[in-house]
Amino acid sequence: QQPVQSPQAVILREGEDAVINCSSSKALYSVHWYRQKHGEAPVFLMILLKGGEQKGHEKISASFNEKKQQSSLYLTASQLSYSGTYFCGTEGRGSQGNLIFGKGTKLSVKP
Amino acid sequence: NAGVTQTPKFRVLKTGQSMTLLCAQDMNHEYMYWYRQDPGMGLRLIHYSVGEGTTAKGEVPDGYNVSRLKKQNFLLGLESAAPSQTSVYFCASSLGYLAGFTDTQYFGPGTRLTVL
Repeated sequence: QQPVQSPQAVILREGEDAVINCSSSKALYSVHWYRQKHGEAPVFLMILLKGGEQKGHEKISASFNEKKQQSSLYLTASQLSYSGTYFCGTEGRGSQGNLIFGKGTKLSVKP
Repeated sequence: NAGVTQTPKFRVLKTGQSMTLLCAQDMNHEYMYWYRQDPGMGLRLIHYSVGEGTTAKGEVPDGYNVSRLKKQNFLLGLESAAPSQTSVYFCASSLGYLAGFTDTQYFGPGTRLTVL
């Protein structure tokens, strides 16, 4: 099943913080986060693994609650370059090697 | 390295016509994927391949076929295009399922397909 992302959209001023959530109804092995700018391809941000290990980006952090099958992406001190649509991709039992992506969260950062 | 490339970038088809989209990667990746992206729907997996000569169905495989004759190439075919297949198609590749998790997927620039 497709993971549920919230919020669907958020507007920030430069320097503000944002949290994007991703929730699944099935047990997860990993959660991946990607960012897509308008008219471009999705670009990898980070992977969160079962067991708590985190791999990825310097200025963006995330958490993974295995018991609740939830992940949150934290963007602090947002910059104009953070604007785009953020997707979580989840990997669960029976779909190893594949990701099921959420519908995305559109983030707009204004000056 | 070019990474992941897709051909063509744009295409307009009439209902019933056929076409093939080509994806190529130069990273020696085992896994390759085809997604479609529609407004408000996110990325939905059409078909994928875990190695040369293998293919498998994803979430939305109906109306599409794929082939992976060479490790670096993954072809997506539409035998009889329908307006519902109007979408942006992305190809991706990755090292695959390693050490208990799926590795990073690298995406191509996309193909915008319109079916009239």
